[in-house]
This record gives sequence, structure tokens and C-alpha cells, in this order.
Amino acid sequence: AQSVTQLDSQVPVFEEAPVELRCNYSSSVSVYLFWYVQYPNQGLQLLLKYLSGSTLVKGINGFEAEFNKSQTSFHLRKPSVHISDTAEYFCAVSEWGAQKLVFGQGTRLTINP
Amino acid sequence: DAEITQSPRHKITETGRQVTLACHQTWNHNNMFWYRQDLGHGLRLIHYSYGVQDTNKGEVSDGYSVSRSNTEDLPLTLESAASSQTSVYFCASSDRTGQGGYTFGSGTRLTVV
Repeated sequence: AQSVTQLDSQVPVFEEAPVELRCNYSSSVSVYLFWYVQYPNQGLQLLLKYLSGSTLVKGINGFEAEFNKSQTSFHLRKPSVHISDTAEYFCAVSEWGAQKLVFGQGTRLTINP
Repeated sequence: DAEITQSPRHKITETGRQVTLACHQTWNHNNMFWYRQDLGHGLRLIHYSYGVQDTNKGEVSDGYSVSRSNTEDLPLTLESAASSQTSVYFCASSDRTGQGGYTFGSGTRLTVV
């Protein structure tokens, strides 16, 4: 069965600094990968997804992620963060043909002025 | 526009009472899911459904039930509310391909006193 590990539970960064949120997955078959963002007191919103093809995927709000099959990783990056990026971020995986997502534990991103 | 709505947004109930949380989606999605979110536990799957009359248990299903009589609705029932069920509950839906990921509702904050 697949699993997802988000390596950092909390990431504090200064405004306008770059950030990387790390995600590793485990699966014996091909997968779809997703990043979601949850702003305070809201539901989860899809940031970006990898289905196939180009390993670099771009999402909303200036975020991007790179799929690395050999390292089974799907790290999320942003070159310059803003206060408004303060949120919790979830990585998720589903196996091809499966209809259920498995979520990581989440990473809380805090932006300091 | 298509949407997924949860009601109520906030609910306070007493221990031992039966409570039903509503989830309604107009995406015409086959799949629907219920999660609970607690600090330190991320998202935990309670129940899910892949279509009308289909329901399945997730990892934390004890004390909860669902029924799927139509495509649009998957109500979640707490048979006899317990303080351990105080949580934020999220409903989500997806199509059969799994390629779109989930669309989430805004959540229901349930407090059991």
C-alpha cells in the first residue's frame, strides 16, 4: 500500500525568502501526486498535481513541484513567499487506477515579516 | 458553478446524542469521502463511497455511519456522540479517474460536551 511522509511538521521562513516543503512517498506502482493548501478555518484547496509527463509542475500562487521517481519525492517550492502563504500544506498520493488519496501529516508554513 | 457544501458549519451537541452532518455536491462525482482533522493526526478517513448504495469503512469508522441513496449526498451520522469525536469534519468528492484529486467542502466543526 502507498504511504506519504512529509519530512517537516513546521517550516518557519522570512517573507520574500524561498521555501521548500518536502514530501516522500512509497508505492510499488505508478502514482498520481498532489499538493493541497489549507488556510486557517478553511477546507483544503488543490495547489497542483502530477499525473504524467513533465516532472516539473506549476500550480497556483507561484508554487511548483518536481516529481523525482528515483528518489520517490515530490517536493513543493516557491522562490519568494508572502505573508499570505501562511497555511498548512498537505502532500497526497494515489496509485494509478485507485480512487482514494493517501495524505501526509501536513506541514505548517509560517511566514515571518 | 459546481460546488460541495457541508452543513452545519458549527455544531455543539451533548454526549450520547445522535448527530448527522450533511454533505452535498453538484459535481456529479461518483466518489465521496469523510475525513476528520485533529491536531497531530492530520486527515483521517472515516468512511467513503464509490457510488450509490456503496459505502466502505475507513481507518477510524467506529461510532460513525454513512448511507448513499443518491449521487449528490453522503450524510455522516454519529450514532451516540462522544467527547473523543470533537473534531473538524471534512467531506470531499472526486471522479472515477482519480486524476482530478479531491474537491473539499469547507468543513464542520463539531463539539461534543
